[in-house]
Amino acid sequence: AQKITQTQPGMFVQEKEAVTLDCTYDTSDQSYGLFWYKQPSSGEMIFLIYQGSYDEQNATEGRYSLNFQKARKSANLVISASQLGDSAMYFCAMREGIQGAQKLVFGQGTRLTINP
Amino acid sequence: GAVVSQHPSWVICKSGTSVKIECRSLDFQATTMFWYRQFPKQSLMLMATSNEGSKATYEQGVEKDKFLINHASLTLSTLTVTSAHPEDSSFYICSARVDNSNQPQHFGDGTRLSIL
Repeated sequence: AQKITQTQPGMFVQEKEAVTLDCTYDTSDQSYGLFWYKQPSSGEMIFLIYQGSYDEQNATEGRYSLNFQKARKSANLVISASQLGDSAMYFCAMREGIQGAQKLVFGQGTRLTINP
Repeated sequence: GAVVSQHPSWVICKSGTSVKIECRSLDFQATTMFWYRQFPKQSLMLMATSNEGSKATYEQGVEKDKFLINHASLTLSTLTVTSAHPEDSSFYICSARVDNSNQPQHFGDGTRLSIL
């Protein structure tokens, strides 16, 4: 069963606009973590933001914020004031499991294109 | 901080050759490293979890004898693709985690493997 679902294969946004990338997850664990990574065409995976399941406030990192709705099991990434350099693949991931066996499960990804 | 170095970044070799990929944590110790495989336009698929000083834990469907993993020190894990064939051509990327449950996995820049 798919544990991380990203329903937007591609998104096209005008420069300087805000964009929301959707992510829903499925887990029966009480303790888990949610991550967003950016993958440019060069291939490296760049960590953007983290949200813990017990965190009461939404995580923010500069232009990135995470809209965490626990009851709905969603963890959408919001990028404010988009820039041309934001064009990339974006992956939502979940870490679950006991302390020593934590693995990341990735969603299918969303390809974001910022238009000038 | 938390830099992961992966080498080589690109490999082209003949069918039947064995290829070794190195993953190093440069400024932290990692008892656990992860190896992923990514096909074009797809998500990252976890192949195995590499544990320092013990055997790797392979995901279902991943051939242990095909993808040999060695994690001999706290800063180095290697993946050897034995007797590589064209179907092994892919993007391989490693990650390492600082041993704190809230820390993200930090990724190397990946290795593009092409088997002729």
